[in-house]
Amino acid sequence: SQQGEEDPQALSIQEGENATMNCSYKTSINNLQWYRQNSGRGLVHLILIRSNEREKHSGRLRVTLDTSKKSSSLLITASRAADTASYFCAVTGGGNKLTFGTGTQLKVEL
Amino acid sequence: KAGVTQTPRYLIKTRGQQVTLSCSPISGHRSVSWYQQTPGQGLQFLFEYFSETQRNKGNFPGRFSGRQFSNSRSEMNVSTLELGDSALYLCASSAGTSSLDEQFFGPGTRLTVL
Repeated sequence: SQQGEEDPQALSIQEGENATMNCSYKTSINNLQWYRQNSGRGLVHLILIRSNEREKHSGRLRVTLDTSKKSSSLLITASRAADTASYFCAVTGGGNKLTFGTGTQLKVEL
Repeated sequence: KAGVTQTPRYLIKTRGQQVTLSCSPISGHRSVSWYQQTPGQGLQFLFEYFSETQRNKGNFPGRFSGRQFSNSRSEMNVSTLELGDSALYLCASSAGTSSLDEQFFGPGTRLTVL
């Protein structure tokens, strides 16, 4: 399986701090995506990084991809209480489907 | 544009029954994918449809089936429900020609099997 594995499983930080979560996968990929999910609701797409890209930014989000290590990281800067959610990485490789990781539960406390 | 809609939002069934869930993608999106989310197994891919054809299928038993209509709306059906089918079922659509692109998710249908 090329399922992504997120690390850590849970993360608790104070508002204003940065949050970093990591994702590792097993096989070659076409792209890697990060999604956010609030309280068991639908997922929201955050960012997509292609296999030939190394870093991408979107607002307070920064994603890096290291294909040699088969890993990616998501950095949320200056976190807010509203960032409290579960974050999933999802990879696409052989076959036309998206495979999700196990998720990181982020809690941002006031 | 309206987002992805799923109906119903909540459903309670008993073992052995069957259920049909519906998904309306964002207007213009032709790819629709279905996922099952449970606390134990996480998010698992069920199947993907594009232009009324099933293009990809996950590792689920034949009790799980789906279809897509000419207007891109999709349904999934689960027959002979089991307790383990209790889950949040998520539908996602994408604008590209494959599910490799950004996925737009609906709010999900929470199915409880008693």
